[in-house]
Amino acid sequence: AQKITQTQPGMFVQEKEAVTLDCTYDTSDQSYGLFWYKQPSSGEMIFLIYQGSYDEQNATEGRYSLNFQKARKSANLVISASQLGDSAMYFCAMTQGGSNYKLTFGKGTLLTVNP
Amino acid sequence: NAGVTQTPKFQVLKTGQSMTLQCAQDMNHEYMSWYRQDPGMGLRLIHYSVGAGITDQGEVPNGYNVSRSTTEDFPLRLLSAAPSQTSVYFCASSYSRGEIYGYTFGSGTRLTVV
Repeated sequence: AQKITQTQPGMFVQEKEAVTLDCTYDTSDQSYGLFWYKQPSSGEMIFLIYQGSYDEQNATEGRYSLNFQKARKSANLVISASQLGDSAMYFCAMTQGGSNYKLTFGKGTLLTVNP
Repeated sequence: NAGVTQTPKFQVLKTGQSMTLQCAQDMNHEYMSWYRQDPGMGLRLIHYSVGAGITDQGEVPNGYNVSRSTTEDFPLRLLSAAPSQTSVYFCASSYSRGEIYGYTFGSGTRLTVV
């Protein structure tokens, strides 16, 4: 069964600095997708970035990049130049069983950006 | 586009009551699913559907029922509410062909069972 592990329950970062949120996964699937979602205090789930298991390059979306190390089964999220609005819960997730319609989520990391 | 619409946003139930959480999407997504979010647990899959008339169980299906009579709608029914079902519920939809932006979540329903 798939499993996502986020080992950092909480993280603090100074405004304008970079921060890395850790995510490791366990799966026997050859084809899978990895996602990062942001959940601000308002509660909605906001898609940030996606990495496919066969993608050779790390995904980037603006200030977000995904450090994908397939052999180590890690998919860390890097946020550059942190902003106060980045304070939120961040979830790592992956597709289950090669499907696109079932996700397994980690328990999340609460990021706080200090001014 | 409205995306994924969930109603209600908040609900308080008494133990034993039944209710239906509504979910509708207007993006013609084939796949729809329900998740629950509990503190410290992340999101867990309750039920999912790959198309009209086809549903299946996820990780935590007990106490919930679903049906998918149309592509647009995927209601979640609580048969006899229990305090353990106090949670935030999210509906999500996606394309079948795996587009990376295909996952869309609703804004959530916060349910309290007393």
